[in-house]
Amino acid sequence: SQTIHQWPATLVQPVGSPLSLECTVEGTSNPNLYWYRQAAGRGLQLLFYSVGIGQISSEVPQNLSASRPQDRQFILSSKKLLLSDSSFYLCAWSVPGRDYGYTFGSGTRLTVV
Amino acid sequence: AQTVTQSQPEMSVQEAETVTLSCTYDTSESDYYLFWYKQPPSRQMILVIRQEAYKQQNATENRFSVNFQKAAKSFSLKISDSQLGDAAMYFCAYRSAAQIQGAQKLVFGQGTRLTINP
Repeated sequence: SQTIHQWPATLVQPVGSPLSLECTVEGTSNPNLYWYRQAAGRGLQLLFYSVGIGQISSEVPQNLSASRPQDRQFILSSKKLLLSDSSFYLCAWSVPGRDYGYTFGSGTRLTVV
Repeated sequence: AQTVTQSQPEMSVQEAETVTLSCTYDTSESDYYLFWYKQPPSRQMILVIRQEAYKQQNATENRFSVNFQKAAKSFSLKISDSQLGDAAMYFCAYRSAAQIQGAQKLVFGQGTRLTINP
């Protein structure tokens, strides 16, 4: 069966420090991968999506970047965190060409101090 | 661009009763998919139910059912026999059937927080 792993679960980082959040999918190949951000009590905002290795599309210009170094690995990064980057980050995957919706990871709560 | 609106920030219901959560969306497309996701306090997003726009029959999953009104662009979720475990944020989401660069981007509403009163 397919599973998605996202880590760390919580992270507290100082302003100006780098960031790396990782997401991996097991049990499938060539998934579509997504990074979403969710402010407290709010909906989800799509940040990046990827349809293949090295293929990254950005939805919102910001202080973040994404990379897909392997087929089932998706990384969200920042060189210098801002206070405004504090949020809940969710990774998700979907099967290309299928209509089953997304499967989400368990999320990372990032607090920038 | 498509938008999804959930006009009820909060709802509450007595345990064992029925509650309906509202969702409307705006699109010029004729073929699309609609979803309801549940986000409990753990913040794990869980797919509750999905609906294909080309199907007239409303989707059902056990105690969860939808009322899909395509002309009105409305997609409400009905929870029957509410249970304490149903307490969560519920998000309505839209996905175009068109494949743009192969991605299947979901557009989410702002959510409705559902409280179950024992």
